[in-house]
Amino acid sequence: DGGITQSPKYLFRKEGQNVTLSCEQNLNHDAMYWYRQDPGQGLRLIYYSQIVNDFQKGDIAEGYSVSREKKESFPLTVTSAQKNPTAFYLCASSQGRRTGELFFGEGSRLTVL
Amino acid sequence: AQSVTQLGSHVSVSEGALVLLRCNYSSSVPPYLFWYVQYPNQGLQLLLKYTSAATLVKGINGFEAEFKKSETSFHLTKPSAHMSDAAEYFCAVSEPSPSAGGTSYGKLTFGQGTILTVHP
Repeated sequence: DGGITQSPKYLFRKEGQNVTLSCEQNLNHDAMYWYRQDPGQGLRLIYYSQIVNDFQKGDIAEGYSVSREKKESFPLTVTSAQKNPTAFYLCASSQGRRTGELFFGEGSRLTVL
Repeated sequence: AQSVTQLGSHVSVSEGALVLLRCNYSSSVPPYLFWYVQYPNQGLQLLLKYTSAATLVKGINGFEAEFKKSETSFHLTKPSAHMSDAAEYFCAVSEPSPSAGGTSYGKLTFGQGTILTVHP
């Protein structure tokens, strides 16, 4: 089945540690995205990538980093510079030249202790 | 810049009653509009989308939404609520990118979400 796989689903880390969230898609989509979800705030765009080896900052990129070395993969690193990293993180993909419909993974819940 | 406002963070209805979730948007150009549903601890699933074709859009699970340009609204409705409809619903807007030939790259802006509760 085609889809987006995020791992891990739950992650606990100590303050000050970097963590990397995995996102893999087998939909052959060009574009991939990372959103952060907090209660009552909807989804906010962290980073997005339209093609391999290229990515752009979204609205809340500070304290995060990404890479896009392969079309299928778009990992997100939450660095120690992110002041409030505890959140639900959602990865998504889209065709890139269509109407903007996003396909989402199941999400990763990060809790920083 | 585009923005989305969902009126009411919580909506509660009885099973069998009409569901109405409100969404207003702001966009400098004719937008693409979406409704997504999210069940607890899961990703988002597309319910329906408006992309400048028919203004009344039908989606999955009996939901539909009407694009009203004069009111800048895209409210979501369902004639009869079911217990399984209980979830969080998100309205989203995307502006077509001229540099992309009028298509969008999926940079969606989301509303704050509306939690729908359905009572027996």
